[in-house]
Amino acid sequence: DVKVTQSSRYLVKRTGEKVFLECVQDMDHENMFWYRQDPGLGLRLIYFSYDVKMKEKGDIPEGYSVSREKKERFSLILESASTNQTSMYLCASSPRSQGTYNEQFFGPGTRLTVL
Amino acid sequence: AQSVTQPDIHITVSEGASLELRCNYSYGATPYLFWYVQSPGQGLQLLLKYFSGDTLVQGIKGFEAEFKRSQSSFNLRKPSVHWSDAAEYFCAVAPLSGGYNKLIFGAGTRLAVHP
Repeated sequence: DVKVTQSSRYLVKRTGEKVFLECVQDMDHENMFWYRQDPGLGLRLIYFSYDVKMKEKGDIPEGYSVSREKKERFSLILESASTNQTSMYLCASSPRSQGTYNEQFFGPGTRLTVL
Repeated sequence: AQSVTQPDIHITVSEGASLELRCNYSYGATPYLFWYVQSPGQGLQLLLKYFSGDTLVQGIKGFEAEFKRSQSSFNLRKPSVHWSDAAEYFCAVAPLSGGYNKLIFGAGTRLAVHP
């Protein structure tokens, strides 16, 4: 069974704090993704990584950065958290694309509240 | 711009009734099409997908979806809803030129089931 785990289910931080959200997958997947989920907006891609130390901006990268030092771990960083970053954050992973789409497997999400 | 529209934000059905959730996409060519379900407190789970071929696709949990090219639609159906189907449902597309399996999600439809 593919497993994607996220370090926290709920997180409360203060404005201006540096926040780390961690994601780990156990299926040796090359691709990893960070989304944020907001009511009425669905999921929006923040960043993705297709290999260790490789990253690409998604649709809404502003205010975020990522780190992938090991294949199984993908971190989302909020350098200075703001209230408009209060959201549900979902991590996903998938095998490398080989000319066709490969299913993304999602973690349970981290609900972040920034006060 | 590529987009996915789920016109119904919230739907309520009685247990045992039939269900249809609507999804329309805007894209130059037929993309890969998906339906995901998110149960309360859970990550997203893939229900079914369409890549090519037969336009009626079967998925897990008794769901099916029909691709209609002329209407740019990919509606999800179930003949008889169970109380455990209460969840949020997301339609998503992966453009063929996505490269790294980029997914574009609709805003979601929240399904409530009355006993």
